[in-house]
Amino acid sequence: AQSVTQLGSHVSVSEGALVLLRCNYSSSVPPYLFWYVQYPNQGLQLLLKYTSAATLVKGINGFEAEFKKSETSFHLTKPSAHMSDAAEYFCAVSGTSASGGSYIPTFGRGTSLIVHP
Amino acid sequence: GAGVSQSPRYKVAKRGQDVALRCDPISGHVSLFWYQQALGQGPEFLTYFQNEAQLDKSGLPSDRFFAERPEGSVSTLKIQRTQQEDSAVYLCASSLVRQGNQPQHFGDGTRLSIL
Repeated sequence: AQSVTQLGSHVSVSEGALVLLRCNYSSSVPPYLFWYVQYPNQGLQLLLKYTSAATLVKGINGFEAEFKKSETSFHLTKPSAHMSDAAEYFCAVSGTSASGGSYIPTFGRGTSLIVHP
Repeated sequence: GAGVSQSPRYKVAKRGQDVALRCDPISGHVSLFWYQQALGQGPEFLTYFQNEAQLDKSGLPSDRFFAERPEGSVSTLKIQRTQQEDSAVYLCASSLVRQGNQPQHFGDGTRLSIL
């Protein structure tokens, strides 16, 4: 079975500070990993995805994430937070049925990013 | 349109009423997913369609929930005899093909409130 754990339901940073949102996964190999962002009253938008190419993945809006197999982690980072980054962030994992996973993604419970001026 | 469209955006119903939620996916997308998102939670899988075939409905919480996609494009999620615990945001997502590495494109959801 595949699952993700997002550590911290809320993360608060000052504008300009480093953003770090944590995601640990449990999945068969290879996992496909995604980060999505959700603004109030909107659906989820893809930030970035890992599909077994480069372990450091760059996404939109200056976000990036690093796949670390030994730590089963896929943490999301951004060097300098902007007020417009305040939103809910979801990590998701999927796989292939051949490897014991599922093409249907499993989402974490989300982390709310709060950015202070 | 360019994205996934859901209607209505908001729906208020009395307990016991039936409701129907519509999803219009991105044109040409084979896969269509329905999710339920409770307040402060991540999306929880309800059901999946590949074209018009409903391949997985393991997430539907009860037999009051029914989904269809008769022509392989627009989908409808129907909830019969609504209960208060059905109050949630219902998200629809589509993807080009059925592969685990494909990202999903989400609609803005329907916020359902059962009084």
